[in-house]
Amino acid sequence: DTGVSQNPRHKITKRGQNVTFRCDPISEHNRLYWYRQTLGQGPEFLTYFQNEAQLEKSRLLSDRFSAERPKGSFSTLEIQRTEQGDSAMYLCASSFGGLGTEAFFGQGTRLTVV
Amino acid sequence: QQQVKQSPQSLIVQKGGISIINCAYENTAFDYFPWYQQFPGKGPALLIAIRPDVSEKKEGRFTISFNKSAKQFSLHIMDSQPGDSATYFCAASRSSTGTASKLTFGTGTRLQVTL
Repeated sequence: DTGVSQNPRHKITKRGQNVTFRCDPISEHNRLYWYRQTLGQGPEFLTYFQNEAQLEKSRLLSDRFSAERPKGSFSTLEIQRTEQGDSAMYLCASSFGGLGTEAFFGQGTRLTVV
Repeated sequence: QQQVKQSPQSLIVQKGGISIINCAYENTAFDYFPWYQQFPGKGPALLIAIRPDVSEKKEGRFTISFNKSAKQFSLHIMDSQPGDSATYFCAASRSSTGTASKLTFGTGTRLQVTL
């Protein structure tokens, strides 16, 4: 286990289609985070899980977005009815949780909606 | 509402020089301040982090200076090298609530180190 793994690395989809991304965290990490990064900006928090429980969702996460983490292992982020404004890099991070623990980021999934 | 402001947006430094990136935050509940380095096509990687109980932290060529009263912190890269060319992000979070990894990021500084 060498780090956080995200698939696919790139996704091009037509507007209106649904897409799903997968994140495999570092195996012993109980917290998993999703961030979105648009060109020239810093990552923005979307949601996070502690084990299988989704504890917080950002206002950025519209009803078209849904995230799951069944069994507290890998996580999926689904975007329904994609819009051009959804084009971004979607980053996943994991950590042990608790105080001051480092978040390890994956390489991200770059989504392009055409 | 941008809670962490970062400057400059871009920076060009000669090899061997000092790179300085500044950040200011608004939320006084923040108590964990990491800096991340990101190369093109990669995810951010933690470089160094500081808590407000110290005013400075040094790791190798990287130093964070922290001014709690001014709500500002900065990253200094000494003896900058071409391999340091990347985008740097400051960030902040509330580790006291157990959510140190729920980060608010700055907008990033693109550093280029020239020969």
